[in-house]
Amino acid sequence: GIQVEQSPPDLILQEGANSTLRCNFSDSVNNLQWFHQNPWGQLINLFYIPSGTKQNGRLSATTVATERYSLLYISSSQTTDSGVYFCAVERADYKLSFGAGTTVTVRA
Amino acid sequence: KAGVTQTPRYLIKTRGQQVTLSCSPISGHRSVSWYQQTPGQGLQFLFEYFSETQRNKGNFPGRFSGRQFSNSRSEMNVSTLELGDSALYLCASRSGTGAGNEQFFGPGTRLTVL
Repeated sequence: GIQVEQSPPDLILQEGANSTLRCNFSDSVNNLQWFHQNPWGQLINLFYIPSGTKQNGRLSATTVATERYSLLYISSSQTTDSGVYFCAVERADYKLSFGAGTTVTVRA
Repeated sequence: KAGVTQTPRYLIKTRGQQVTLSCSPISGHRSVSWYQQTPGQGLQFLFEYFSETQRNKGNFPGRFSGRQFSNSRSEMNVSTLELGDSALYLCASRSGTGAGNEQFFGPGTRLTVL
């Protein structure tokens, strides 16, 4: 099956700092999504981005499908940005394959 | 529009019992998928249903089964529970008929097997 690798596994930031999370995948995909898992376990949709660039407030994402990677940018980080960020991809098989996640800790 | 709902939110069972989890998709969504999340294995795909038909199944033993009803609500069942089945079970729904559309997740059911 398709392999999804996220880096770094852990990230510690000072409030106000910027950061970049990376997601590499091993094959062409129909779908790529970024999620933030809240403390209660729910996956919150951040971006649906099989290709191109999108921005939502302090977050933005870029997917370069031809090179099989996606980046999630967090600018001016806040303590509420803490949590686990997942990248997930889908081929034409109706299932999302998830990376192992990046755990982000933002310190005040 | 209401999001994906899952019931129950928390469940405690003992080994050997069986359990049924329920998922109601976003109104108008006909595709429902199930995922299991554990600390050791991460997030893994269980199965996907569309119009009461299972279109894909993950690599799980036959003790894990599911179904979808004509109103698109879905249930998953785990029989003969094992300690290793303790996990967060997440349900997702999406619009459209094909693969590739955005998926939206429910809050999950946290199952503890004692």
